[in-house]
Amino acid sequence: DAKTTQPPSMDCAEGRAANLPCNHSTISGNEYVYWYRQIHSQGPQYIIHGLKNNETNEMASLIITEDRKSSTLILPHATLRDTAVYYCIVRPSFYNQGGKLIFGQGTELSVKP
Amino acid sequence: GAVVSQHPSWVICKSGTSVKIECRSLDFQATTMFWYRQFPKQSLMLMATSNEGSKATYEQGVEKDKFLINHASLTLSTLTVTSAHPEDSSFYICSGTETDTQYFGPGTRLTVL
Repeated sequence: DAKTTQPPSMDCAEGRAANLPCNHSTISGNEYVYWYRQIHSQGPQYIIHGLKNNETNEMASLIITEDRKSSTLILPHATLRDTAVYYCIVRPSFYNQGGKLIFGQGTELSVKP
Repeated sequence: GAVVSQHPSWVICKSGTSVKIECRSLDFQATTMFWYRQFPKQSLMLMATSNEGSKATYEQGVEKDKFLINHASLTLSTLTVTSAHPEDSSFYICSGTETDTQYFGPGTRLTVL
């Protein structure tokens, strides 16, 4: 599986957009980019995923560069409840290799009032 | 998103005893479930892949005789920590896959005295 690189920590002001970068320069053509977050002492929460195109849902937007070597998760209006560790993970389609997720260290996002 | 539950949410046991943790997919059928372990201030570490009706696949370094996994139905997987010791104290998290996305349970905090 491709490895990802994320900054260990970031701060964001409440109400502002939080832009979390992820580098995955060795990503393969059949690998998806997944984002999860983990609030302290809880299980990870699925946020969004994509292959090539930018994606948006009710939680966030995912911007993937044209060469697919990096992506950015955007939380448009961060709230204090968005304080969490955010994980960027790349993996093949479930049907290809069973869908294992290998977690890195993630980015600890602190949303401040 | 799909909902996964775990029971119990926390458990304290004496050294040498066995503990069973249940993982249920509440609103979907999960042919494949995954078990993770997380130590304080560390990321999630995949322990094993659990497939309904067949033996689990364990990651390297995980003792299959110590961490017994049973996936008897499409909505239930269990993890039994046998002869638990203090070093097994950890946060255990399961996940189920629905439509190529993993959804996680809330986790079980195990403390072995």
